[in-house]
Amino acid sequence: SQQGEEDPQALSIQEGENATMNCSYKTSINNLQWYRQNSGRGLVHLILIRSNEREKHSGRLRVTLDTSKKSSSLLITASRAADTASYFCATDRRNNNDMRFGAGTRLTVKP
Amino acid sequence: GAGVSQSPSNKVTEKGKDVELRCDPISGHTALYWYRQSLGQGLEFLIYFQGNSAPDKSGLPSDRFSAERTGGSVSTLTIQRTQQEDSAVYLCASTNSARNIQYFGAGTRLSVL
Repeated sequence: SQQGEEDPQALSIQEGENATMNCSYKTSINNLQWYRQNSGRGLVHLILIRSNEREKHSGRLRVTLDTSKKSSSLLITASRAADTASYFCATDRRNNNDMRFGAGTRLTVKP
Repeated sequence: GAGVSQSPSNKVTEKGKDVELRCDPISGHTALYWYRQSLGQGLEFLIYFQGNSAPDKSGLPSDRFSAERTGGSVSTLTIQRTQQEDSAVYLCASTNSARNIQYFGAGTRLSVL
């Protein structure tokens, strides 16, 4: 069964705007990761946040984690057309090393 | 190799035929996952291998699906008596389980006619 649930399912913005995607999960986790997928092929890891961290930055990416609400958000600032892709969160469950992915958010950035 | 390699990249088969999909993980990665992704959908977990432990097969949708991992490296996903609903992209990922960051192959796009 899926662990993470992203919302919105689809997001369309103009180039230069910020994009925010959310992820909710159900069980206690060790860490949460965000991945990006272009053209329905392999996913690429973007950023990992541990369960004892609240915020993490990587370039134009900002990830927050609220373990009390079992939720995370991914913010992409100053979006570019090249950011158009699907974005997935993935969690590994405490006492279990396997990873489960959500259904993803399809982001479209219009030039 | 430098990354996860999957073959074939595309496979077209007739309903009722068996297919084998191959995954070569990154050398030294102890964990390997298979996922299925239907068009425009999320990733559906299929099976997980970790070292010499018994695989987690809880995601396999039916007994037509099986997978093995020989020598802790290459993995083969076999689908017997394929059905049209098996059409999807099958993704393989391997990980250094210390941080569990997954490295994905480009996938095999399976089309069952």
